[in-house]
Amino acid sequence: DTEVTQTPKHLVMGMTNKKSLKCEQHMGHRAMYWYKQKAKKPPELMFVYSYEKLSINESVPSRFSPECPNSSLLNLHLHALQPEDSALYLCASSRGQLNQPQHFGDGTRLSIL
Amino acid sequence: DAKTTQPNSMESNEEEPVHLPCNHSTISGTDYIHWYRQLPSQGPEYVIHGLTSNVNNRMASLAIAEDRKSSTLILHRATLRDAAVYYCILQSIIQGAQKLVFGQGTRLTINP
Repeated sequence: DTEVTQTPKHLVMGMTNKKSLKCEQHMGHRAMYWYKQKAKKPPELMFVYSYEKLSINESVPSRFSPECPNSSLLNLHLHALQPEDSALYLCASSRGQLNQPQHFGDGTRLSIL
Repeated sequence: DAKTTQPNSMESNEEEPVHLPCNHSTISGTDYIHWYRQLPSQGPEYVIHGLTSNVNNRMASLAIAEDRKSSTLILHRATLRDAAVYYCILQSIIQGAQKLVFGQGTRLTINP
């Protein structure tokens, strides 16, 4: 069982919809991450939050909007997505200190119609 | 970002050692080398990481070349459960946060 919980596991949405992906951890970790993984490709970093502040944005389009309401929760708000945004979205967390392992959730599989 | 290069696939037999190579010739002096693995329908799982010295843990060993331009992940006695995609990753620190850059990964097949 993973210690990072992502909901929903699957999401199908139209290009005009607004939806949110949710990630939760109760390990006391202070860094949280969003990754995007296309089929048969490695994960690619999107955003990093460190102590609830956005530290890294890998030039992600504004149709993806991250939010970190507290140290246990990470959201990814989606609006006006394109078909090429269909992918597995992975959340991870790690302790606040640097060079610590990341713990990944099993992801949300997103399909854009 | 510095990149890693791995073989696309490797095959080994159960209960034998496995050596998974990784090249990272453009690594910077402060980059850590991480290895994660990913089973089907799961998120990546941490395996091991190091900076300069060889590292051992309960899952594997990591051998780092003296010039740090390559490394090898060693599974001492492979089991069927070790079949996965293994990613060699360089970790840098950007604006005080950890950034992992995944390689393309090696798909490891274990034969019974």
